[in-house]
Amino acid sequence: DTEVTQTPKHLVMGMTNKKSLKCEQHMGHRAMYWYKQKAKKPPELMFVYSYEKLSINESVPSRFSPECPNSSLLNLHLHALQPEDSALYLCASSQGRGLIAETQYFGPGTRLLVL
Amino acid sequence: SQQGEEDPQALSIQEGENATMNCSYKTSINNLQWYRQNSGRGLVHLILIRSNEREKHSGRLRVTLDTSKKSSSLLITASRAADTASYFCATDAVTGTYKYIFGTGTRLKVLA
Repeated sequence: DTEVTQTPKHLVMGMTNKKSLKCEQHMGHRAMYWYKQKAKKPPELMFVYSYEKLSINESVPSRFSPECPNSSLLNLHLHALQPEDSALYLCASSQGRGLIAETQYFGPGTRLLVL
Repeated sequence: SQQGEEDPQALSIQEGENATMNCSYKTSINNLQWYRQNSGRGLVHLILIRSNEREKHSGRLRVTLDTSKKSSSLLITASRAADTASYFCATDAVTGTYKYIFGTGTRLKVLA
């Protein structure tokens, strides 16, 4: 299985809602990533998990809360988001420790709209 | 500021023509990678070139790396309509802390 899956594909939420994005991979990769991508812009790194531990947080606001329950799963919990948080949220995984640039395998993304 | 900046920002060509995209970066790198993204979808890894390599091929793709100029190019030969996508370079930065940054991207449109 060489896929990274993400659910849901689309999400619409109000600013007071709490929701979660889910990412799953079964390639035995030990590094997992969350990216945020605005339209016509490159992906921006948010978080990196290496061996289920948060290794990088790119100064992301606390309304985004990542969680890695096990080596195959990565969640992104969302609370009190702002309309400017509307974007495509991409999950990726890589084989190594995530400490150097490795080939990353991306999921299809969750398109989030915050009203 | 962006580690990788690409040009052109957008490129429109006829099917069968070659497409060349360039990526420039600012700091020393371990490797440079190229990814493709179809509209609103995830990214697909195309090719990785290490800092000690100068050229790499994969099918219709040819990537060059010039570390003295801090630049890379991606050439797609005999383009097809299915090559229509955004193309991003991605680099790490040899600064002691992890930094993996995508370039600004080139939007390629191949007309049938």
